[in-house]
Amino acid sequence: EAQVTQNPRYLITVTGKKLTVTCSQNMNHEYMSWYRQDPGLGLRQIYYSMNVEVTDKGDVPEGYKVSRKEKRNFPLILESPSPNQTSLYFCASSLIWTISKGLYGYTFGSGTRLTVV
Amino acid sequence: DQQVKQNSPSLSVQEGRISILNCDYTNSMFDYFLWYKKYPAEGPTFLISISSIKDKNEDGRFTVFLNKSAKHLSLHIVPSQPGDSAVYFCAASAGNQFYFGTGTSLTVIP
Repeated sequence: EAQVTQNPRYLITVTGKKLTVTCSQNMNHEYMSWYRQDPGLGLRQIYYSMNVEVTDKGDVPEGYKVSRKEKRNFPLILESPSPNQTSLYFCASSLIWTISKGLYGYTFGSGTRLTVV
Repeated sequence: DQQVKQNSPSLSVQEGRISILNCDYTNSMFDYFLWYKKYPAEGPTFLISISSIKDKNEDGRFTVFLNKSAKHLSLHIVPSQPGDSAVYFCAASAGNQFYFGTGTSLTVIP
């Protein structure tokens, strides 16, 4: 089944303790992205990657890191989480971005609900 | 500043009637507009899209209308079904990024 898989689904952590949320897709998609969803703010883009070893900042990149060493994986790293990073996070992927974005949009993962206390 | 806005947080419609979800945007450089549907505990799923060079796109019960002069986008669902009850996000793309609205929660009453 074609899908984007995020882990974990739920995570409670303490301020300052480094964590990684994994994201993997099995569709050979070039483009991958991370979003956070907050009440009243919709989905905001954190980082995106056009292809392996190519990453760019989205609208809210502060406090996050990403890497794209392989095509299928795009982990989100919080080096020192803070309570304002408590949110619902989505990973998404898309085929060749410039061609497909208007036709297929993204395939999203099921989300990771992160709570930082 | 929110470039894509959905001003109605919620909408209730009787089964069989038309649902109209609205979206406004500010950036005239957007080239594609999309609608996503989201059920609880799931990621958003792509529903329908429209290019900025068109004013209408239809797919089954779903039709998206684009009014570029008004910078307004709408999604029509006819007829509405209880399974359509979900949160609907509109999104617009410029360059390598998508910008999402805040969502409208649709409830279709049987």
